[in-house]
Amino acid sequence: DTGVSQDPRHKITKRGQNVTFRCDPISEHNRLYWYRQTLGQGPEFLTYFQNEAQLEKSRLLSDRFSAERPKGSFSTLEIQRTEQGDSAMYLCASSSGQALRFVETQYFGPGTRLLVL
Amino acid sequence: KQEVTQIPAALSVPEGENLVLNCSFTDSAIYNLQWFRQDPGKGLTSLLLIQSSQREQTSGRLNASLDKSSGRSTLYIAASQPGDSATYLCAVRLDSGYALNFGKGTSLLVTP
Repeated sequence: DTGVSQDPRHKITKRGQNVTFRCDPISEHNRLYWYRQTLGQGPEFLTYFQNEAQLEKSRLLSDRFSAERPKGSFSTLEIQRTEQGDSAMYLCASSSGQALRFVETQYFGPGTRLLVL
Repeated sequence: KQEVTQIPAALSVPEGENLVLNCSFTDSAIYNLQWFRQDPGKGLTSLLLIQSSQREQTSGRLNASLDKSSGRSTLYIAASQPGDSATYLCAVRLDSGYALNFGKGTSLLVTP
């Protein structure tokens, strides 16, 4: 169990550019989540995958955001035409579908910190 | 929409003190509640998870309680240490989904 990993850890981009982040969940975890956290706030839910299916999306996930999990393993989060308001920490979490849902713990990665200039 | 509030926003205590962090939530139809720790610039570490049917959970010096009917949870830290300094986040999962709804956290500083 190597934990949830995210790449890159830091990204600086100019407004209008596209960025893509990657998340590798704990192996055999079939549930994967993306959250966004801005300074001084708690994380906000963006989207949820069960295997390769995207089952839940927040209203925060505008048309410029797209997430995929093509083979039910790693996931990518792409932001198109970045805006300064997209600057935040993007967190990925995973959990095991084998656990009973009410005891299911989400394990978080270290996050990708995005700065849009 | 589930609103999660944490009080206080910040807390500074001398080493060795026992302390209580508070979390309240508006929708009592929860499935579970988790407490996390976050160090500056880092991801989240899960501390305790309480099922909706449980009243409390303990791990070492940490004890978390849940009163679903009143929409409250507390995290009790015994004999605090400087290494406990971090932000503590409360998160609630509703019956109806998988998303965690987070509070803004309590920033704890334990001074030697």
